[in-house]
Amino acid sequence: ETGVTQTPRHLVMGMTNKKSLKCEQHLGHNAMYWYKQSAKKPLELMFVYSLEERVENNSVPSRFSPECPNSSHLFLHLHTLQPEDSALYLCASSQITGSGWNTEAFFGQGTRLTVV
Amino acid sequence: EDQVTQSPEALRLQEGESSSLNCSYTVSGLRGLFWYRQDPGKGPEFLFTLYSAGEEKEKERLKATLTKKESFLHITAPKPEDSAPYLCAVRPASGTYKYIFGTGTRLKVLA
Repeated sequence: ETGVTQTPRHLVMGMTNKKSLKCEQHLGHNAMYWYKQSAKKPLELMFVYSLEERVENNSVPSRFSPECPNSSHLFLHLHTLQPEDSALYLCASSQITGSGWNTEAFFGQGTRLTVV
Repeated sequence: EDQVTQSPEALRLQEGESSSLNCSYTVSGLRGLFWYRQDPGKGPEFLFTLYSAGEEKEKERLKATLTKKESFLHITAPKPEDSAPYLCAVRPASGTYKYIFGTGTRLKVLA
C-alpha cells in the first residue's frame, strides 16, 4: 500500500447509527487531517493531529469524534449524524519539519458518506 | 481575512486549445501555494507547490506560475484526459496546519 488509504469508500448510515472512518498513511508523515468536502464549497478543515496530538479542532460538532492512536492511523467516529452531514470526508497527511515548515498535503480517496 | 478565489468556475476547451486557470489569493504572508487535480469521487491529487513570486513549475502539459497576488495554471494543448476539477490552496504564515482552499475550476476538454 502506498500513499493515504481510507476505508470504507462509501458509507450509508441512519441518524441513530454509530460508525467509524479509518485512514492510514504510508508516507512517514507526522501530521494528519480530516477534511469535509460538500458540493460547491471549499474543503473544510475539521481536525488536525500532529505527532498524535490534536492541534486544531475547527468548531466541529461533537457528533464527530477523531482519534489518532499513532502517527500512521487516524479515525473519525460518527454518531447521531444529521442528513446535512452527508459529504465526502477526506483524510490527508503532511510533514512538519523541525523549522516549522509544512509540506504539501497528500489526500486519500475519501469516504462518501450518506446519512439517511 | 485570508481568502482564495478561483476563476473561472468552469472552462470548456477543445482538444489542443491552450488556456489558463486563475487562483487569486489574499493571505497574511504566503507559506506556499498548492495546485491539486480532483477526479470525480476521488481525493485531490497533488500537482505543484510554489513558494515565492516568480517561481514556475512544469509537469507534462501543465505549468504553474506565481505572482504576489495570484497563480496561474497554464494548460498547453490539453487532451480529454486533462478534464477534471482543479483546486488551488494556500498556506498562510498565520497557521502551520492551515490550508485555505478555493472552490475549484471544472475543466472539460472536448475531443
